Amino acid sequence: ETGVTQSPTHLIKTRGQQVTLRCSSQSGHNTVSWYQQALGQGPQFIFQYYREEENGRGNFPPRFSGLQFPNYSSELNVNALELDDSALYLCASSPTSGRAGNEQYFGPGTRLTVT
Amino acid sequence: GQSLEQPSEVTAVEGAIVQINCTYQTSGFYGLSWYQQHDGGAPTFLSYNALDGLEETGRFSSFLSRSDSYGYLLLQELQMKDSASYFCAVSHNAGNMLTFGGGTRLMVKP
Repeated sequence: ETGVTQSPTHLIKTRGQQVTLRCSSQSGHNTVSWYQQALGQGPQFIFQYYREEENGRGNFPPRFSGLQFPNYSSELNVNALELDDSALYLCASSPTSGRAGNEQYFGPGTRLTVT
Repeated sequence: GQSLEQPSEVTAVEGAIVQINCTYQTSGFYGLSWYQQHDGGAPTFLSYNALDGLEETGRFSSFLSRSDSYGYLLLQELQMKDSASYFCAVSHNAGNMLTFGGGTRLMVKP
């Protein structure tokens, strides 16, 4: 069973640029959530996708957008990058319908640095 | 909105027992989860409580009191490898979208 994978591992971008981060969910998981984790803080929920539809969104501006594909992999896109977007971006997948309490399986994250 | 409070740091010695508390304020509460994160690693699931009471999984136990909006994680027989950050997280709707606390950094000393 393959776990959650994310690419790239590290990324350096300039303010104002756009970035796309990728996530492959664990086999059999149809729900993917994205989180932003600043250094020394807890992960903050960005949004969740279930069967290719956005299923919920946290307090992030519209320049944070996403996609989920038929194979349940997912992308996070961030436009007009700001310095405060520098963080670890975590993808987590969960089985079935993302029912509350389901264990979420996190990927290793993408470390984004905006200069 | 949602907010969770947990201590920022806890220190304990190997073999001891430590309790990490978490209080929360949230609407539409479904349950409380705990995750462990080692430096440079991904969060890993430890436990979930939807109902009041104690859930035990090996050396780790988790407790929830919905009426007090309070829970804790209990770690017994501490080992050096337990040194990590521990996060409580609230599921505030059926879709399991988690709101995390700021994390408690546990340092286990010999």
